[in-house]
Amino acid sequence: AQSVTQPDIHITVSEGASLELRCNYSYGATPYLFWYVQSPGQGLQLLLKYFSGDTLVQGIKGFEAEFKRSQSSFNLRKPSVHWSDAAEYFCAVGGLTGGGNKLTFGTGTQLKVEL
Amino acid sequence: DGGITQSPKYLFRKEGQNVTLSCEQNLNHDAMYWYRQDPGQGLRLIYYSQIVNDFQKGDIAEGYSVSREKKESFPLTVTSAQKNPTAFYLCASSPLLAGGGEQFFGPGTRLTVL
Repeated sequence: AQSVTQPDIHITVSEGASLELRCNYSYGATPYLFWYVQSPGQGLQLLLKYFSGDTLVQGIKGFEAEFKRSQSSFNLRKPSVHWSDAAEYFCAVGGLTGGGNKLTFGTGTQLKVEL
Repeated sequence: DGGITQSPKYLFRKEGQNVTLSCEQNLNHDAMYWYRQDPGQGLRLIYYSQIVNDFQKGDIAEGYSVSREKKESFPLTVTSAQKNPTAFYLCASSPLLAGGGEQFFGPGTRLTVL
């Protein structure tokens, strides 16, 4: 069964500091990996995705993530955090299994940005 | 603009009542999904559908029902059998691609049982 672990429930960073959110996954085949962001009371917005090819992927809002197969990780990074980045971040894994394009989500990391 | 709409945004229900949450998409996606979100638990899949008139149970289908009579619509009914229905409900859709596809989300419906 596929699963996603986001070990950090809450993270606080200062504005302008760098950010790394951790994501570890378990998947039986080549995974498709996603990072989504959610503002309070809103739906999820896709930040970036990895399907194949270059293991360093660029996303919106200055975010990037690196796929490391040997570590089963897909960590999200941003060089300089802005106050507007405060939100909840979800990592997800999926692929075209017998159940279609199902995604399994991690429990999320709540990011707080100190001014 | 293409996207997913969910209505209502807020919904209040008395215990013992069934309620239906609406989800409509104009993205021409084949697959649609319903998730439940509770604090600290991430998103849990309730039901999903890959084609009209067909749907499958997700991880927490008990107490819920769905229909898929049109490609654009995937309503979710929360029945009185659902023991703890207060939650934030998210609808999503995706294309069915050979290599998998990202899911696009609606704005959500917050259901509160009084």
